Amino acid sequence: AQTIHQWPVAEIKAVGSPLSLGCTIKGKSSPNLYWYWQATGGTLQQLFYSITVGQVESVVQLNLSASRPKDDQFILSTEKLLLSHSGFYLCAWSLGGTGVYEQYFGPGTRLTVL
Amino acid sequence: GDQVEQSPSALSLHEGTDSALRCNFTTTMRSVQWFRQNSRGSLISLFYLASGTKENGRLKSAFDSKERRYSTLHIRDAQLEDSGTYFCAADMDSNYQLIWGSGTKLIIKP
Repeated sequence: AQTIHQWPVAEIKAVGSPLSLGCTIKGKSSPNLYWYWQATGGTLQQLFYSITVGQVESVVQLNLSASRPKDDQFILSTEKLLLSHSGFYLCAWSLGGTGVYEQYFGPGTRLTVL
Repeated sequence: GDQVEQSPSALSLHEGTDSALRCNFTTTMRSVQWFRQNSRGSLISLFYLASGTKENGRLKSAFDSKERRYSTLHIRDAQLEDSGTYFCAADMDSNYQLIWGSGTKLIIKP
C-alpha cells in the first residue's frame, strides 16, 4: 500500500526567514507529485507538479520554489517567507504518466508566518 | 473567471436526511474528483470519475457524460461522521492541473 508523509506537521516562522517543507511517497514508483496551498477557510491552489525526478513545473509561484531530488521526494522551499505564505500546504501523488489521474493527499503542514 | 461553481457553499442537516452537492463547470472537463476535508485538514478522496456514476455505501456521484459540464455528489441517510468540507476538482486537459470548487461546508446535527 502507498503511504504519503509530510514534514513538519506544523511550523511557526518569522517573516523573512527560510522555509523547507518535505513530502515522501512510499510504495509507488515514478508517481506524479503535486504541491497545493490552502488559505484558512479557502479552497486549494495548485502550486507545482512534477512528473519525473529533477523536473518541476510551476503553476502559481507565490515566491516559492520546489524540487524533486529523488523519485519519492518532493520539497517546497523559499529563502524569505512572507506573511501571505501562511496557510496549509498539501502534497499529493497520482499515477505517473500523461494527464490527470486520481490524486491522493498527504496529511498537510500548517504554516504560520508572524 | 471561475471555471468551477460549487453549491451550496454551506449546508446544515439532521442525521438521517439526504443531500445533494453540485459542481458546474464553465467548460468541458475530462474528469472530476470529489474530496472530503475533515477538521484536521486531511483530504480524503471520495470518487474519481471520467464519466457515469459511482457509488460507495451512502455516497453516490455522477459526472454528466454527454456535455461533461457538471457533477453531483449525493449523501443518503447522513451521519455525524459525514460532517466536513466537500470539494470537487476537475481537469480540462492533460496539463496536470486540477481546478477546484470553493467547497461545501456540511454540518450534520444529531
